[in-house]
Amino acid sequence: KNQVEQSPQSLIILEGKNCTLQCNYTVSPFSNLRWYKQDTGRGPVSLTIMTFSENTKSNGRYTATLDADTKQSSLHITASQLSDSASYICVVSAQPHDYKLSFGAGTTVTVRA
Amino acid sequence: GAVVSQHPSRVICKSGTSVKIECRSLDFQATTMFWYRQFPKKSLMLMATSNEGSKATYEQGVEKDKFLINHASLTLSTLTVTSAHPEDSSFYICSARDGAGDTDTQYFGPGTRLTVL
Repeated sequence: KNQVEQSPQSLIILEGKNCTLQCNYTVSPFSNLRWYKQDTGRGPVSLTIMTFSENTKSNGRYTATLDADTKQSSLHITASQLSDSASYICVVSAQPHDYKLSFGAGTTVTVRA
Repeated sequence: GAVVSQHPSRVICKSGTSVKIECRSLDFQATTMFWYRQFPKKSLMLMATSNEGSKATYEQGVEKDKFLINHASLTLSTLTVTSAHPEDSSFYICSARDGAGDTDTQYFGPGTRLTVL
């Protein structure tokens, strides 16, 4: 069964600090891994997309890493801002054409001033 | 980037009524659209996949007669929750697949909050 597990479930950080979120998956075969940011009451917005051959991808203050051998990914948020408060979802695709996605439960990040 | 809209963003209805939610791809043609449901603090759960001009494919456990999906054009899909009950209250999110060119990914709409009284 394809599974995506994220940790921690939630975390609280002070504004300006860094944090790292983890994602482990058992999806096979593997096509790509995405990190999404979902604000409360909104749909997910893509942050990064990585295929098997990519081991790091950045989008501003967000940097994702991928180890396809150990099936682990991380999302690092640098110099957090209040607007980073959201749920971050790890999504893995087993199909090369992005048909069915396996979603993690998300990590809720709260940034406090 | 590709934009997907949903309407309405929020709806409150009485038990027993039907509610229609629209999902539109604004700047690309979506041959495939997906409907998800999300409960509080839970992950998105795929309800059904709809292809333009054909019947939707429903996930196991999703009642096709209760959740009617129509994908009449390459830019519009609708989800109708028939005879809604309080347990249908949830956050409904659609996504549209852009299969053109080098991109082949799902873009999510902003979601529709359904509350059934």
